[in-house]
Parts: sequence; structure tokens; C-alpha cells
Amino acid sequence: DGGITQSPKYLFRKEGQNVTLSCEQNLNHDAMYWYRQDPGQGLRLIYYSQIVNDFQKGDIAEGYSVSREKKESFPLTVTSAQKNPTAFYLCASSNGDRGHQPQHFGDGTRLSIL
Amino acid sequence: GQNIDQPTEMTATEGAIVQINCTYQTSGFNGLFWYQQHAGEAPTFLSYNVLDGLEEKGRFSSFLSRSKGYSYLLLKELQMKDSASYLCAVRDTADKLIFGTGTRLQVFP
Repeated sequence: DGGITQSPKYLFRKEGQNVTLSCEQNLNHDAMYWYRQDPGQGLRLIYYSQIVNDFQKGDIAEGYSVSREKKESFPLTVTSAQKNPTAFYLCASSNGDRGHQPQHFGDGTRLSIL
Repeated sequence: GQNIDQPTEMTATEGAIVQINCTYQTSGFNGLFWYQQHAGEAPTFLSYNVLDGLEEKGRFSSFLSRSKGYSYLLLKELQMKDSASYLCAVRDTADKLIFGTGTRLQVFP
């Protein structure tokens, strides 16, 4: 079945540690996105990529980094510079941001601080 | 600035009808999406509106008025499984999605 796979489902980070969240899609979508969701808040855009080898900062990119070396993959690294990383992280993809094409989401990764 | 407003919580009874409102002020408008999100799970796409009017899809309908910056999601014949958060999202002229905080709907028997 086609879809978006995020791993791991749960992740714990120690102080000063970088961690990487995986996002893989087999929908042949061009565009991919990373969002952060905190309790009582809407989804906030961290980074997005509309094509391989290109990506742009979203609204809350500080303390995060991404790469887009393959169409299928868009990993997110939460660096030690991100002082409040505890949140639910959602990856999404779409067939280009045109017309009625919705973004499809993975099942998310819940990141906590040890 | 960008602003999307939805009620924080709503309650309804099984079998009833509920309307979830969304008002928006964004830098441009390229369509409005509604998503359903059960606790701890991924949002799933429900509906899309880009022209004024009502879009119906089974028990769910969504309405848009661009001049008023207003949309609503109408859920009919409510079922217990409809208990979830409902997210309103607007695509702006930069083709990015801006999400509201979501409306948590609880359906009681």
C-alpha cells in the first residue's frame, strides 16, 4: 500500500544530543513537509521541500535541519540548539501544492526529553 | 498577519448534527482544507473548498464564503467514532498550509 512512514514512533533525546526523525513516502509525491504539533496549538511548519535537493524554512525552522537527497525521503534532525523539542512531529507529502491536492500525513513521531 | 480561528471544544449527541466554524485572515487564499485527527494519530483529509458554496461528501459537508473569510464543516448523523479534533487549514499565496488550532469534538451516547 502507498503511504508515508515515519520512524520511530517514540523517541527520547538527551541534553546536547542531535536526533534524526525519518520520513519515507512511496506515493511518488514531489513535495514533502515537516510540522510540529504542541498541545492546544495548531500544526506549525518547520521545513518543506517541493523538489529533490531543494528545501525552504517554514515558520519555526530554528534548531532544526533537513535534507532531500531522494524524492522518497525527507529526514528531520532536531539539533541541540532546539531548546524545547518535546512535541509531536508530523511529516506530510503532496502531489505539488496545486489545485485540490491535499497533504497526506504520516503517523507521527513523539519526541521527549530525558 | 495570518490568523485562523476555530472553537476549542464542542460536544454533541450521537445521531445529531454539529457545525464547526472556521474564520480566517490570511495573506492570500488558494483553498481551504478540513482534516480529522484522532488523538495521537495522523490528520486525515476530509474536504477541500476553493469556490464559494457547499461541498457534500456523505455525512460530511463543508461550506465556504471567501468574501466573509468563513467556512464550516457540517457533520450529520453523528457517530461515536466522530469524536476527534477537526483542523481547518488555509493554503496561502505561497502555497503553504496554515492550520487553525483545531476543534475537539466529543460525541456522547
